[in-house]
Amino acid sequence: RKEVEQDPGPFNVPEGATVAFNCTYSNSASQSFFWYRQDCRKEPKLLMSVYSSGNEDGRFTAQLNRASQYISLLIRDSKLSDSATYLCVVNSGTGGFKTIFGAGTRLFVKA
Amino acid sequence: GAGVSQSPSNKVTEKGKDVELRCDPISGHTALYWYRQSLGQGLEFLIYFQGNSAPDKSGLPSDRFSAERTGGSVSTLTIQRTQQEDSAVYLCASSLLAGQAFSGANVLTFGAGSRLTVL
Repeated sequence: RKEVEQDPGPFNVPEGATVAFNCTYSNSASQSFFWYRQDCRKEPKLLMSVYSSGNEDGRFTAQLNRASQYISLLIRDSKLSDSATYLCVVNSGTGGFKTIFGAGTRLFVKA
Repeated sequence: GAGVSQSPSNKVTEKGKDVELRCDPISGHTALYWYRQSLGQGLEFLIYFQGNSAPDKSGLPSDRFSAERTGGSVSTLTIQRTQQEDSAVYLCASSLLAGQAFSGANVLTFGAGSRLTVL
């Protein structure tokens, strides 16, 4: 089983739609969580951290469920510029603090 | 420096040759990571360095791969006797610290990557 699992998609949505991505992680000792965004042929960049109480940054909302070892990202009012691959990222706290990336979920927002 | 710098940006080599990829992290960042990304795939963890601690080499795919970090700054990833399956983009990232729960200190900043093609 992979340490971080995501639905690869692709998700094809119209502009203005709301879309949600899910991610599960296997290491219950994981301590910190993030969503990164990767554009085609570019390096990943931080989108937002994920906090236990859930957090929002503009149109983006992240949630963490430690009991289910599950992270989510919600994008409201999708823009064409949101088209990218979204990477779920987990920082594991056992024997070191290795940062593991999920394989990513591809999103295409169409006009 | 202002960002993470990697070189070369592109490297084409023949099967069996050795290659060295360099990463210059953000000044003051104590944690440094190497990942590999094959075309259309996710990021594969290779190795990470944290300060003066022994590196976590658990992701290195074979003994042909090695990495070092000199003086807690610049890192070199070496691939010996390259194979065609080594072709990928090798990404380096650094963070201020590692293992700080819910802290921005372990947010990774990536370099633009080194694209390796083994013929």
